Amino acid sequence: ELKVEQNPLFLSMQEGKNYTIYCNYSTTSDRLYWYRQDPGKSLESLFVLLSNGAVKQEGRLMASLDTKARLSTLHITAAVHDLSATYFCAVDETPGTYKYIFGTGTRLKVLA
Amino acid sequence: DTAVSQTPKYLVTQMGNDKSIKCEQNLGHDTMYWYKQDSKKFLKIMFSYNNKELIINETVPNRFSPKSPDKAHLNLHINSLELGDSAVYFCASSQVSWLAGGSSYNEQFFGPGTRLTVL
Repeated sequence: ELKVEQNPLFLSMQEGKNYTIYCNYSTTSDRLYWYRQDPGKSLESLFVLLSNGAVKQEGRLMASLDTKARLSTLHITAAVHDLSATYFCAVDETPGTYKYIFGTGTRLKVLA
Repeated sequence: DTAVSQTPKYLVTQMGNDKSIKCEQNLGHDTMYWYKQDSKKFLKIMFSYNNKELIINETVPNRFSPKSPDKAHLNLHINSLELGDSAVYFCASSQVSWLAGGSSYNEQFFGPGTRLTVL
């Protein structure tokens, strides 16, 4: 069964610092999705990574995908309080099956 | 304009009752999903429908029955509610996007969630 693991599960960081969230998965999928969830809110799509070596950036967030290592990273640069949220990665178990397995989530808290 | 909407937003009910949650999307997507998010924020797929046909049915108790009257709607009916059903239920939709070279991806759009509390 596909496993998607994120670490850390919880992250408390100071504003202005950099940090990386890791997403490891056990399938050969080359599609990986990152979502953000604010407390009490829905999930919002952040990035869709489509191939080995894919890198996408939006503001202070940058996501990358290494399909050979089955690893995706979400890098936060110079964190600000507004980035506080829970971040999920997701992988489709088998392409075309519409069965998405979400990671455990990383709850990020940026302290002012 | 709300892309994926769910009703109700909150649902508080007694054990043993039957309840329904409704979901509608106006994005023209072919695929809709139900997810359950537990108190630890773990998100698990329950069902997936593509063009009104059930394609994913995870190990969910028979008490849960999805229904898709048309591509824009996916409802979830729950019989004989139990304490363990308390969670946030999210509806989502997606449409396959094709890239040059024949590859594709399937970005999901989520509804606001329904917080179900069973007493």
